[in-house]
Amino acid sequence: SAVISQKPSRDICQRGTSLTIQCQVDSQVTMMFWYRQQPGQSLTLIATANQGSEATYESGFVIDKFPISRPNLTFSTLTVSNMSPEDSSIYLCSVEGGQGSFGYTFGSGTRLTVV
Amino acid sequence: GENVEQHPSTLSVQEGDSAVIKCTYSDSASNYFPWYKQELGKGPQLIIDIRSNVGEKKDQRIAVTLNKTAKHFSLHITETQPEDSAVYFCAASLRTDKLIFGTGTRLQVFP
Repeated sequence: SAVISQKPSRDICQRGTSLTIQCQVDSQVTMMFWYRQQPGQSLTLIATANQGSEATYESGFVIDKFPISRPNLTFSTLTVSNMSPEDSSIYLCSVEGGQGSFGYTFGSGTRLTVV
Repeated sequence: GENVEQHPSTLSVQEGDSAVIKCTYSDSASNYFPWYKQELGKGPQLIIDIRSNVGEKKDQRIAVTLNKTAKHFSLHITETQPEDSAVYFCAASLRTDKLIFGTGTRLQVFP
């Protein structure tokens, strides 16, 4: 299965600022997914990022708040903009298999605290 | 859209006992059902999955069963060990599409 490197692993940010999270995959993948996991909660999909096209956002998430870049088949970034304490969560990237593998792999996540 | 319900939210068992976690899904078109284990401070790790053309799959102490008619699937862990303690998530999707996750089950295995 694919190996994902996600960074930063954690950060504490001031409200009103922005944070960009990076996701690097060791193989080329068509789709990359960004999830949010609020404290003690399940995973909620933010958006799906395909290389060469605009990301597709789920209901309740907008591009102005969570801009995504997907410059190539192994890399993506998610920015959390104009942060508030309600944005404190774990943010995870995920890819489907990679190299013909089956199943979705997740990065280790970015634990964000907004103060 | 797809909706996945998961029960129980917490489960405590004695080491060596079995644990069962159940999920139901709403979209009959879903055809892929993975289970993830998430330990504290880590991302979810895929432990077993099943496709809709299979009724049961087993991997050592872990098994998953799928009932397409009833739209539910279950995770079975036998001979539980303290290191099985974690949060478990079920999910459902159309193959190659996004995963929709259940609400999670916190499993505690007491020595």
